[in-house]
Amino acid sequence: QITLKESGPTQVKPTQTLTLTCTFSGFSLTTHGVGVGWIRQPPGMALEWLALIYGDDDKPYSPSLRSRLTITKDTSRNQVVLTMTNMDPVDTATYYCVHLMYGDRSFDYWGQGILVTVSS
Amino acid sequence: DIQMTQSPSTLSASVGDRVTITCRASQSISKWLAWYQQKPGKAPKLLIYKASSLESGVPSRFSGSGSGTEFTLTISSLQPDDLATYYCQQYDKYPYTFGQGTKLEIK
Repeated sequence: QITLKESGPTQVKPTQTLTLTCTFSGFSLTTHGVGVGWIRQPPGMALEWLALIYGDDDKPYSPSLRSRLTITKDTSRNQVVLTMTNMDPVDTATYYCVHLMYGDRSFDYWGQGILVTVSS
Repeated sequence: DIQMTQSPSTLSASVGDRVTITCRASQSISKWLAWYQQKPGKAPKLLIYKASSLESGVPSRFSGSGSGTEFTLTISSLQPDDLATYYCQQYDKYPYTFGQGTKLEIK
């Protein structure tokens, strides 16, 4: 059974760096083609893909946010970490951790999400 | 980036109705399209992948079709539990992109 869970701060101040951790179980990030990624959703708005990381350490990013994002993995701890620098109130959103198998079912498993509010 | 455009943005239908949602891609994405259902306050749930493959456990009243740039999600007989917002998403090329969503209301 695949599960993912997001953790991190629920409130950050403008200009601060956000660090979110996805802790997963039920699969290994060393398996060929398996990836873990992040998607966000501002309140009342649509979904936006941010970044992915695969077992071979391939890391595609959203071009519009590439300069602010870093995604890393710790396969021994079954964790993926996303950092986003220079946070702004427009970054207020629910951030989801997701699982996918490349070339198959896209984002087939989702975490529950974590609402991050950016406010001074 | 590949732009995904859904129509309509809002849809109101009655229980038992056949409902169709359309998704258009700004360039060909072959079959690499997924549909998600998001209920209020919940994470999205995968319904359809590769344009027409039904995810395990999803009721058979949901179906998907299309290829290239035109895709549809059909609910054959609308049920009260289908109240949700539906999103399409392309996974042919990075950056993966979503449609703006279709909010389905039950009359």
